[in-house]
Amino acid sequence: GENVEQHPSTLSVQEGDSAVIKCTYSDSASNYFPWYKQELGKRPQLIIDIRSNVGEKKDQRIAVTLNKTAKHFSLHITETQPEDSAVYFCAARGIGGATNKLIFGTGTLLAVQP
Amino acid sequence: ETGVTQTPRHLVMGMTNKKSLKCEQHLGHNAMYWYKQSAKKPLELMFVYNFKEQTENNSVPSRFSPECPNSSHLFLHLHTLQPEDSALYLCASSQPEGGAGNTIYFGEGSWLTVV
Repeated sequence: GENVEQHPSTLSVQEGDSAVIKCTYSDSASNYFPWYKQELGKRPQLIIDIRSNVGEKKDQRIAVTLNKTAKHFSLHITETQPEDSAVYFCAARGIGGATNKLIFGTGTLLAVQP
Repeated sequence: ETGVTQTPRHLVMGMTNKKSLKCEQHLGHNAMYWYKQSAKKPLELMFVYNFKEQTENNSVPSRFSPECPNSSHLFLHLHTLQPEDSALYLCASSQPEGGAGNTIYFGEGSWLTVV
């Protein structure tokens, strides 16, 4: 089955700096890669996603890149702000078969220091 | 308001108790999920239901028993749990496999403590 690894587990940056979180996946059939943000005590919420027919997607200060050959994808946050502090989860999902499973990475705790 | 509501938000139960977690979605989705979130662990998929039918059981112990009476409601029945089952249990919904809208929407979760 799919296995997703995420690094780093914790990341501390100064306000205004960029943050990069990286994930690798094992199932070459996976073709959907969302990123979720979970603030303390709240539900995970989708912030951006990318499908395998696209190499990069950007939404304001957030961007995701995908390298299908290497089976890795990354989240980039520019001009970080204190409200970006949260746990970020990457996930991968395959298409086909009897189930629609989303497999998550272990999460990255991002702390933006003001 | 994401359209996925879970009750109760907090539950403390003894190892011999029987309790249930409830999830309801108002998004018109036909797939529903249970995930378990423990400290320092990834979100672990437990069960998947598509159109009320269970399509995935991720080797979950039988002390967890899901029920999906319709596409809008999902239950997780709990009995004879262990302290290591204490965690945040997240319900989620989405359009089913192959649908155009693959985004999974989570509920707020039910914090379970087993004593």
